[in-house]
Amino acid sequence: DAMVIQNPRYQVTQFGKPVTLSCSQTLNHNVMYWYQQKSSQAPKLLFHYYDKDFNNEADTPDNFQSRRPNTSFCFLDIRSPGLGDAAMYLCATSRERAASYNEQFFGPGTRLTVL
Amino acid sequence: GDSVTQMEGPVTLSEEAFLTINCTYTATGYPSLFWYVQYPGEGLQLLLKATKADDKGSNKGFEATYRKETTSFHLEKGSVQVSDSAVYFCALAENNNNDMRFGAGTRLTVKP
Repeated sequence: DAMVIQNPRYQVTQFGKPVTLSCSQTLNHNVMYWYQQKSSQAPKLLFHYYDKDFNNEADTPDNFQSRRPNTSFCFLDIRSPGLGDAAMYLCATSRERAASYNEQFFGPGTRLTVL
Repeated sequence: GDSVTQMEGPVTLSEEAFLTINCTYTATGYPSLFWYVQYPGEGLQLLLKATKADDKGSNKGFEATYRKETTSFHLEKGSVQVSDSAVYFCALAENNNNDMRFGAGTRLTVKP
């Protein structure tokens, strides 16, 4: 089945130690998104790629970076994780942008713990 | 800016009870509205959507009607099952905008 895969499902890192979260998709979608979801809060969009075009949300901290080496893979890099970065990180894809017309397909998420 | 407010959970119901999860929105334009569902251990899945006022989205026995006059998109189901236990997210997207805004989610637990 076509799907969005996130690895690992659970990640533990130390304060200040860089960490990378991975997302892959078999849907061949043009757009890939990263959301941050803190406990009992709404998912918050960090950035998205349209093909190789990177689009950062205005309030996404510089501590968060992303890479998309090819259509299938997208990585979230947190350069110096703080305690406040502990959250569930959700990857999603859609065929095109225009969120009102293009369903987003989500992976199961990676839960990040910062010690 | 655009935002979505949904009722706080958790909501606990007995099997075959009627479900309502309230959702209201604030938007500058005429957004599309969505309900997503997240089952335990899985990603968010689109449950239903409505793209204009008075549209009704429906799927798996769930329904929601886009009410422009009350800026609402309440989720309803006439008879819930244990398998409906999940977290439900209301969301909106402005037309031709890349941004989808989610509510905080409402956890539903259905007991046999």
